[in-house]
Amino acid sequence: QKEVEQNSGPLSVPEGAIASLNCTYSDRGSQSFFWYRQYSGKSPELIMFIYSNGDKEDGRFTAQLNKASQYVSLLIRDSQPSDSATYLCAVRDQDSNYQLIWGAGTKLIIKP
Amino acid sequence: DAGVTQSPTHLIKTRGQQVTLRCSPISGHKSVSWYQQVLGQGPQFIFQYYEKEERGRGNFPDRFSARQFPNYSSELNVNALLLGDSALYLCASSSGLDNSPLHFGNGTRLTVT
Repeated sequence: QKEVEQNSGPLSVPEGAIASLNCTYSDRGSQSFFWYRQYSGKSPELIMFIYSNGDKEDGRFTAQLNKASQYVSLLIRDSQPSDSATYLCAVRDQDSNYQLIWGAGTKLIIKP
Repeated sequence: DAGVTQSPTHLIKTRGQQVTLRCSPISGHKSVSWYQQVLGQGPQFIFQYYEKEERGRGNFPDRFSARQFPNYSSELNVNALLLGDSALYLCASSSGLDNSPLHFGNGTRLTVT
């Protein structure tokens, strides 16, 4: 059973600080990794995707991938109250290249 | 450009009924995927279609079926509804290239009573 694990939280971070969200995955052959943000009652919204080891930055967001340790993380700099949401990590299943395997999400709360 | 559109947004059905959910992908996207999400969990893969062909099926019973039309829109059908089918049904489109990310519609909230 391929799994993606996330701490369910809630993770509480003061406004303006860095929020760090982590995800581990079981399939060592995975090549594609995605972070989605989901507000309560809404659908997931793509934040970042990363395919290579190292860091990938987009505005206030940085995705970090370490395939040897099988983890991927998302850093949010200068956290804003509007960043409060559930963050879902998804990993593409290499054996069935069409589907994503999802973590249950980490609830992030940014405190003003 | 319009994003992924799903209809209806909300639906209430009773056990044993049948339901059809609809999805239009982003213009130019040839792949549509369907996911089920229950509260507190990540989405679960149901189907993917690419160029009108079923490309994958998740671990869902045969009561769930889908199809994709020549214009790349898609329908998800669920027969003999159970209370446990109550969930948010998400449609996502992508270009269909192997690593292409999924873009989700707003979802259909299905309640089975």
